[in-house]
Amino acid sequence: AQSVSQHNHHVILSEAASLELGCNYSYGGTVNLFWYVQYPGQHLQLLLKYFSGDPLVKGIKGFEAEFIKSKFSFNLRKPSVQWSDTAEYFCAVNAPRGYQKVTFGTGTKLQVIP
Amino acid sequence: EPEVTQTPSHQVTQMGQEVILRCVPISNHLYFYWYRQILGQKVEFLVSFYNNEISEKSEIFDDQFSVERPDGSNFTLKIRSTKLEDSAMYFCASLGGRTYEQYFGPGTRLTVT
Repeated sequence: AQSVSQHNHHVILSEAASLELGCNYSYGGTVNLFWYVQYPGQHLQLLLKYFSGDPLVKGIKGFEAEFIKSKFSFNLRKPSVQWSDTAEYFCAVNAPRGYQKVTFGTGTKLQVIP
Repeated sequence: EPEVTQTPSHQVTQMGQEVILRCVPISNHLYFYWYRQILGQKVEFLVSFYNNEISEKSEIFDDQFSVERPDGSNFTLKIRSTKLEDSAMYFCASLGGRTYEQYFGPGTRLTVT
């Protein structure tokens, strides 16, 4: 069975600071990786996904993530955060088929201070 | 942009009562899912549904739970006899095509008293 670890539970940054949220997964085979975001009062939205190919994935709103297979990691980055990025971020995995259940990490609450 | 909708947004029920949570997936999607998130905890998979049958379920999805797609548009989750620990946000999701992106609904907050 797959599992996902997110090491940062709560991150506070000032606007324009750079962001990196850690995510590690455990699964022995091919995985599909996701980052979802949940803005206050809203539903889960997909930020970006990795299925295969270039391990550096670009998503919406200037976010990107890098899949490092040897480290079982899929960290989320943004060079300069904005106040509107305040939200909860979930790393997730499914495997091996793309239509199978998604396993979520515990989430990281990001607070961006103006 | 098409979206998944869920009703009601908030349901309060007494322990032991039956509840039905409703979802309208995106119209051309073929795979359907229920997840839940207990307050302060992570989102957990409950069940997936394809071709009118359950394709996968978690250990949480015991005999108290059932799912149905009664009319080709709605996708429902029934909890037969609710317990206090069923209080959570329940999310429906659907997937279609080759993007393998699960689109989530806004959730139904279930409160069992």
